[in-house]
Amino acid sequence: GIQVEQSPPDLILQEGANSTLRCNFSDSVNNLQWFHQNPWGQLINLFYIPSGTKQNGRLSATTVATERYSLLYISSSQTTDSGVYFCAVTLNFGNEKLTFGTGTRLTIIP
Amino acid sequence: GAGVSQSPSNKVTEKGKDVELRCDPISGHTALYWYRQSLGQGLEFLIYFQGNSAPDKSGLPSDRFSAERTGGSVSTLTIQRTQQEDSAVYLCASSLAATTTQETQYFGPGTRLLVL
Repeated sequence: GIQVEQSPPDLILQEGANSTLRCNFSDSVNNLQWFHQNPWGQLINLFYIPSGTKQNGRLSATTVATERYSLLYISSSQTTDSGVYFCAVTLNFGNEKLTFGTGTRLTIIP
Repeated sequence: GAGVSQSPSNKVTEKGKDVELRCDPISGHTALYWYRQSLGQGLEFLIYFQGNSAPDKSGLPSDRFSAERTGGSVSTLTIQRTQQEDSAVYLCASSLAATTTQETQYFGPGTRLLVL
């Protein structure tokens, strides 16, 4: 099956710093989503981005489908950005089951 | 409701007992998914419903696991004769019907299951 790898596995930053999280996938995908899992375990949708670039406030994401990777950028980090970031991909229309990456645990220090 | 809801939030059970986990999807969402998050396995797919049908059950780990969906809405995941390795967070997600387009999945808060 498809492999989804994320890097780095752990990231500790000072408040105000910028960060780049990477997601590599081993096969062509139809969809890619980025999620933030907060300390209470809730998965929050960040981006639906099978290709191209999107921005939402301090967050932006880019997916280069032909090269099988996606990047999530977080600028001016805040402590509320702490948590685990997952990318997840789907392969087929009509069955959107997500294959999740290994996650990046981000800790923002005040 | 505004989002996907799941119940119970937490469940502690003894090995060998049966448990039922419930998911209420977002109103109007015809696709429903169950996932499991455990320390050793990460986030993994269990089963997918389109309406009341389950065209993909490939992620169910054993025949002790079953799920049903009624009225195209509420879904129940049942685990029979629970084992300690079933301890995990069980997550439900829903999305609009997706046969020719891609749709975002929205997740519930999860049920934390602990099997003693």
